[in-house]
Amino acid sequence: GENVEQHPSTLSVQEGDSAVIKCTYSDSASNYFPWYKQELGKRPQLIIDIRSNVGEKKDQRIAVTLNKTAKHFSLHITETQPEDSAVYFCAAVPGGSYIPTFGRGTSLIVHP
Amino acid sequence: DTGVSQDPRHKITKRGQNVTFRCDPISEHNRLYWYRQTLGQGPEFLTYFQNEAQLEKSRLLSDRFSAERPKGSFSTLEIQRTEQGDSAMYLCASSLTPLNSPLHFGNGTRLTVT
Repeated sequence: GENVEQHPSTLSVQEGDSAVIKCTYSDSASNYFPWYKQELGKRPQLIIDIRSNVGEKKDQRIAVTLNKTAKHFSLHITETQPEDSAVYFCAAVPGGSYIPTFGRGTSLIVHP
Repeated sequence: DTGVSQDPRHKITKRGQNVTFRCDPISEHNRLYWYRQTLGQGPEFLTYFQNEAQLEKSRLLSDRFSAERPKGSFSTLEIQRTEQGDSAMYLCASSLTPLNSPLHFGNGTRLTVT
């Protein structure tokens, strides 16, 4: 089955800095890569996703990049704000399976 | 869109008791998932339905766990003879077909086995 590794487990930045979270996956059949944000005590919510036919996708301060050859994808958050503080999960979904495998999460702390 | 709802929000039970959780997905979503999440970990897949058919079960799901989605709408997850290791947040999610679509999660049911 799919295996997703996520780093770092904790990331502490100053407000206004950029943050990068990296994930690797094992199954070359994976073709869909969503990212979720989970605030303390709340449900995971989708913030951005990318499909394997594109290399990069942006949505305001958030971007995701995908390198299919190396089997890794990354989340980039620019101009971080305290409200970005949360746990972020990456996931990979093999084509035809429809079952996301999640990474272990990155706790992002943005200091004002 | 009223979102995915789960009931109860919290459940405390004694070891050896049976518990049942309910999930109501977003009405037009025909895929429904159950995940388990423990502190400091990502959601861990348990089982998945498309309409009323249970298409996939994790090998982690012991025979004490059973899930149903009898009419392709709400789903139940039952744990028999609970163990302390079953303590976790149980998350339900739903999504649309076809192709891969993002999961919409419920708020979860937090189970504590004493």
